Amino acid sequence: EIVLTQSPATLSLSPGERATLSCRASQSVSSFLAWYQQKPGQAPRLVIYDASNRATGIPARFSASGSGTDFTLTISSLEPEDFAVYYCQHRSIWPLTFGGGTKVEIK
Amino acid sequence: EVQLPESGGGLVQPGGSLRLSCAASGFTFSSHAMTWVRQAPGKGLEWVSSISGSGGSTQYADSVKGRFTISRDNSKNALYLQMNSLRAEDTAIYYCAKGYSSTWGTLEYWGQGTLVTVSS
Repeated sequence: EIVLTQSPATLSLSPGERATLSCRASQSVSSFLAWYQQKPGQAPRLVIYDASNRATGIPARFSASGSGTDFTLTISSLEPEDFAVYYCQHRSIWPLTFGGGTKVEIK
Repeated sequence: EVQLPESGGGLVQPGGSLRLSCAASGFTFSSHAMTWVRQAPGKGLEWVSSISGSGGSTQYADSVKGRFTISRDNSKNALYLQMNSLRAEDTAIYYCAKGYSSTWGTLEYWGQGTLVTVSS
């Protein structure tokens, strides 16, 4: 199975700052990578699909890039509602797997 | 508006069974693959199983293969997960999720989850 490694585990930032999250795959997943946001007590929400496409309703401050094994999610200027855990997930082959998550917390 | 309320969770003894349901609305159910994902308390997300729009093709995580069965009833817009031989490590919130467009693995919308607790 493909292992997704996210870094850092925790990112402590202030509102208005830029957040850069990383996801590395143990083998190529092409562009078949998604990012999800999860807030406490809530279901995950799709943020990015196929490496760089924003999902419906996701603001433009969220952007993502990458292909193959290295991917990045960037939040250009953190809003209070962006503090959450972010997971990457691939759909390249079965089984689908998720990364361990990056918690973006308020500094 | 897409809605995916899950039901059927609860407390069950090790070795027992449960059937989870997900009542889909707000989209053409039969046109989309559906997936179950679980999250153990305080842990990350784990893919459990997926099923094609027609129901003719299914996939399972190794951790549940042979114990869990995914199915759907397109006439009722319903997704199911039959869980047998439950173990303590199956304790988790179980989410159903709608596949994006014609793809299997991008999970566009998620239900709020139903909690399954396996304990004696």
